[in-house]
Amino acid sequence: GDSVTQMEGPVTLSEEAFLTINCTYTATGYPSLFWYVQYPGEGLQLLLKATKADDKGSNKGFEATYRKETTSFHLEKGSVQVSDSAVYFCALSDPFGNDMRFGAGTRLTVKP
Amino acid sequence: DTAVSQTPKYLVTQMGNDKSIKCEQNLGHDTMYWYKQDSKKFLKIMFSYNNKELIINETVPNRFSPKSPDKAHLNLHINSLELGDSAVYFCASSYRDRGTDTQYFGPGTRLTVL
Repeated sequence: GDSVTQMEGPVTLSEEAFLTINCTYTATGYPSLFWYVQYPGEGLQLLLKATKADDKGSNKGFEATYRKETTSFHLEKGSVQVSDSAVYFCALSDPFGNDMRFGAGTRLTVKP
Repeated sequence: DTAVSQTPKYLVTQMGNDKSIKCEQNLGHDTMYWYKQDSKKFLKIMFSYNNKELIINETVPNRFSPKSPDKAHLNLHINSLELGDSAVYFCASSYRDRGTDTQYFGPGTRLTVL
């Protein structure tokens, strides 16, 4: 079935460092791809999404591009802040959201 | 103006008890979900209801029974609680029938079974 694999954490960076969290997917159709973020003690929040190949999702300085040829949706940010410390989940769903599959989550800690 | 809300936020109970977690969304969505997040943060879908009808029922013990009295509510009832049920449970909702697949999550309910 459809699945998502993301890089294992934890990831620890210094403030203003460049961030990449890798995510690859396996799907039979044309899924939508998402990045969700979970701050400590809170629920998941949608960070960004892309619904078709070559789409780029962006929000709060984070970006991810839907790459069909490499089945990837890597999350990037040019300069992380301490407030970006959270767990990041890559996810996919079919176009109707019938069955959303999440990756295992990657914990990011940003140190001042 | 909370979008997806859950009660209680924390639930501590003894093994063998029966408990319920409530979820409400005021987004007008037609589909609601329950997820279980274990201690390693792995998130797994349990149930999905579309317009009050069950559409996803993953391999979940039948001690777990979702109940949807209307499209805005999806409650989770758990019978005979076990230690392994300790986790954070998240409710979510989406506009499935409009082809919009973004799910919006509640703040979670941390269940601890002693």
